[in-house]
Amino acid sequence: DAGVIQSPRHEVTEMGQEVTLRCKPISGHNSLFWYRQTMMRGLELLIYFNNNVPIDDSGMPEDRFSAKMPNASFSTLKIQPSEPRDSAVYFCASSIGQGAHNEQFFGPGTRLTVL
Amino acid sequence: AQSVTQLGSHVSVSEGALVLLRCNYSSSVPPYLFWYVQYPNQGLQLLLKYTSAATLVKGINGFEAEFKKSETSFHLTKPSAHMSDAAEYFCAVSEGYGNKLVFGAGTILRVKS
Repeated sequence: DAGVIQSPRHEVTEMGQEVTLRCKPISGHNSLFWYRQTMMRGLELLIYFNNNVPIDDSGMPEDRFSAKMPNASFSTLKIQPSEPRDSAVYFCASSIGQGAHNEQFFGPGTRLTVL
Repeated sequence: AQSVTQLGSHVSVSEGALVLLRCNYSSSVPPYLFWYVQYPNQGLQLLLKYTSAATLVKGINGFEAEFKKSETSFHLTKPSAHMSDAAEYFCAVSEGYGNKLVFGAGTILRVKS
């Protein structure tokens, strides 16, 4: 079992550039979550999908952020244009179903640095 | 609205000593509660979860947590700390349909030899 796969693991970019983070959930999982982790704000849920449909995007900070899930095995989180305050570790997680008791499995994260 | 408070951003214990990491929650409905561990430069890994089946929950690596409704607490304990337990620990709450997790701020555990 490969677990949740994220790419790239590290990304350094300049302010104003477009950044795309990628996630492959565990096969058979139908819920997918994007989180952001910073020292100041901790772990924040940005958006989550169920059966490829966005269910709650209330955590997306602003219009510069967008997320898609074109199929059950792939999701992207895009930031355009990027700003230094977007620097953080972005985690993708997946789970089976939408039950509140279901465990979420986390990927290794993408460390984003915006200069 | 649900929330989680972790008391103590840093906890330091000696190897072999008791580990106690505190978590208090706020929830309008019976909650589901989780403890996750994060090792440096890694994602989060589930230690244990409370889903109302039993108030004392046993997890991996010798950790356990007790759900106390009257105290709205879900503290994490381990009888004897090991050097490999050094990591950051997160308490999280989920309620209702759609398993959104709300995380606490985290507690960094340091284990001294």
